[in-house]
Amino acid sequence: DAKTTQPPSMDCAEGRAANLPCNHSTISGNEYVYWYRQIHSQGPQYIIHGLKNNETNEMASLIITEDRKSSTLILPHATLRDTAVYYCIVRSANQAGTALIFGKGTTLSVSS
Amino acid sequence: DAGVIQSPRHEVTEMGQEVTLRCKPISGHDYLFWYRQTMMRGLELLIYFNNNVPIDDSGMPEDRFSAKMPNASFSTLKIQPSEPRDSAVYFCASSLDPYGYTFGSGTRLTVV
Repeated sequence: DAKTTQPPSMDCAEGRAANLPCNHSTISGNEYVYWYRQIHSQGPQYIIHGLKNNETNEMASLIITEDRKSSTLILPHATLRDTAVYYCIVRSANQAGTALIFGKGTTLSVSS
Repeated sequence: DAGVIQSPRHEVTEMGQEVTLRCKPISGHDYLFWYRQTMMRGLELLIYFNNNVPIDDSGMPEDRFSAKMPNASFSTLKIQPSEPRDSAVYFCASSLDPYGYTFGSGTRLTVV
C-alpha cells in the first residue's frame, strides 16, 4: 500500500471547519483514500472514502487533488465530540490480499 | 444490526494462562479482521479472513497466537500461553468490500 503522511496534531475551535490534510504522493491509480477516526477507548470508525472525485456524506467531505497526491478531510462544523485521532489510509480497490494498515494519524483537539 | 460484537470487554489473566477472545461479525460481511492496539505500536493488523478462510496471518506475533473462523458468524483469537507483553486492546472488524470496516468495541486484555 502507498504510505501516507499526516500532521501529528491539530487544533480546532468548536463550530469552525476542521481541515485535516493527508499526503499520499505514491498512490497508484487503483488505490482508494479512506478516512477513519478513533475516539478515545473506542474502535475506529469509518468516515468516508474516495478514488478520484470529491465525496460528501453526513459526517464529512473528502477533497482529493487532481493529481491524487494529497487529500483533505473536512468536518464542516466541528464539535467537541469530534475530538479524536483521524487516520488517512490508501488501499487497493482489489481487497483480496490487502487490508487496512493504520499509521499514527492526526490527533484533532476541538475546544470551546 | 447490533454491529460487530466482541467478548469479553475486559479480561485480566495471569501470565501463562490461555486467553480466548471472541468476535461476531456483521451478518453478510465476508471479511473479518483482528487488530491489536498499544500505545507503543499503535493499531497493528494481526490476521484477516475472507469467507472464513485465513488470507494473511503475517501479523500474528508468535506461535502463541492463533485465530480461527469456524463459520461466517464467529471467530476466535487465542493466546496460549499469555505473557505480560500481550496486554493490549484487541479489536475485531468486519467488512463487505468495497465499503468501510466496522469495528467492535474491543477487548482490553491485561496479563499480570
